[in-house]
Amino acid sequence: AQSVAQPEDQVNVAEGNPLTVKCTYSVSGNPYLFWYVQYPNRGLQFLLKYITGDNLVKGSYGFEAEFNKSQTSFHLKKPSALVSDSALYFCAVRDVNSYQLIWGAGTKLIIKP
Amino acid sequence: EPEVTQTPSHQVTQMGQEVILRCVPISNHLYFYWYRQILGQKVEFLVSFYNNEISEKSEIFDDQFSVERPDGSNFTLKIRSTKLEDSAMYFCASSVRQGVGYTFGSGTRLTVV
Repeated sequence: AQSVAQPEDQVNVAEGNPLTVKCTYSVSGNPYLFWYVQYPNRGLQFLLKYITGDNLVKGSYGFEAEFNKSQTSFHLKKPSALVSDSALYFCAVRDVNSYQLIWGAGTKLIIKP
Repeated sequence: EPEVTQTPSHQVTQMGQEVILRCVPISNHLYFYWYRQILGQKVEFLVSFYNNEISEKSEIFDDQFSVERPDGSNFTLKIRSTKLEDSAMYFCASSVRQGVGYTFGSGTRLTVV
């Protein structure tokens, strides 16, 4: 069965430090991978996606993610965290047999000043 | 930037009542979706809709649920005879192509009492 795992419920980072939010996936075939962010009382905002091409994908708000096929990972990264990056981050993969998104449980990112 | 609009933002209903959640997708998008997120749990796919018919639905989307595009702009989710366990955040999304480039709305928080 296809699945997405976000092993950390919460990640704490000091402002200005680099951040990483982890995501691993399990799919048969080539994955379509996504990161979304959810701010309090807001919807799911698209950050970036990997479909094909370069393994390093750049997205909104200075975020990037690296697709690693051998480790089946798609970790979200940012070189220098901002307090405003504090939010809930979701990794998702598109089901290869359909078009629905399969979601991770989410990781709460807290950036401290 | 074009947005997916959902109304209402919060709806409280009594168990057994019918509710209609409304969504206005982005105007040039052709594919429409509903997802839900029960508090503290993963985002779950409910249904996708294209060309005025359901293209895919999950096990969650049983006879209690229905979707409709009544007038070419709105996309609605109807839940008949609501149950306590239907309490969740319901997200509408749309895309130009199937399964890629989702834009999500801000969600409707449904509380069944």
